[in-house]
Amino acid sequence: NAGVTQTPKFRILKIGQSMTLQCTQDMNHNYMYWYRQDPGMGLKLIYYSVGAGITDKGEVPNGYNVSRSTTEDFPLRLELAAPSQTSVYFCASSYSQETYGYTFGSGTRLTVV
Amino acid sequence: RKEVEQDPGPFNVPEGATVAFNCTYSNSASQSFFWYRQDCRKEPKLLMSVYSSGNEDGRFTAQLNRASQYISLLIRDSKLSDSATYLCVVNRVTGGGNKLTFGTGTQLKVEL
Repeated sequence: NAGVTQTPKFRILKIGQSMTLQCTQDMNHNYMYWYRQDPGMGLKLIYYSVGAGITDKGEVPNGYNVSRSTTEDFPLRLELAAPSQTSVYFCASSYSQETYGYTFGSGTRLTVV
Repeated sequence: RKEVEQDPGPFNVPEGATVAFNCTYSNSASQSFFWYRQDCRKEPKLLMSVYSSGNEDGRFTAQLNRASQYISLLIRDSKLSDSATYLCVVNRVTGGGNKLTFGTGTQLKVEL
């Protein structure tokens, strides 16, 4: 039972490059989320999804895109990477938004130079 | 004012000590509350939910005071392995669905 799996674990991008952060979960959770965590800051929600085919913006969506074609997968796309996108990215999933906690992936450390 | 505020610490305590963390939240419409633990360079992991009546899980006790909009976490008999950052998390229902807000965390260092 893998839980939430994120790839890659580390990546260095040059300014203007693009990449996709992969996230997959095997718990049949409907809810999935992408967060970024900057040093000394709380986790900020980028995008979320309440089910396959449905996505919505969080607090800090600019510069990112997502898709949710299946229940299991929720990739995050960075177009035209900028230094401000240097961060640790966490994908999470949950059974319920209200009363259950989230299960997080192990994170992707992204540096944009 | 931040929606969720925590003392960043660090709290340096000897092994075996009792330590308490506090968290305040600004939105009275918040409905559910959690404590997460995050080890250095790792993902957050759910430690426990926080219920109005207070709840205990082994050495950990969580309390909620809705009137004061205050959440606490008490750790008894601290172990070296308790060293981590503890995140206070608050959930409220908005027009766009549930919104989970994470505090910036309180760092705990348990020493010999």
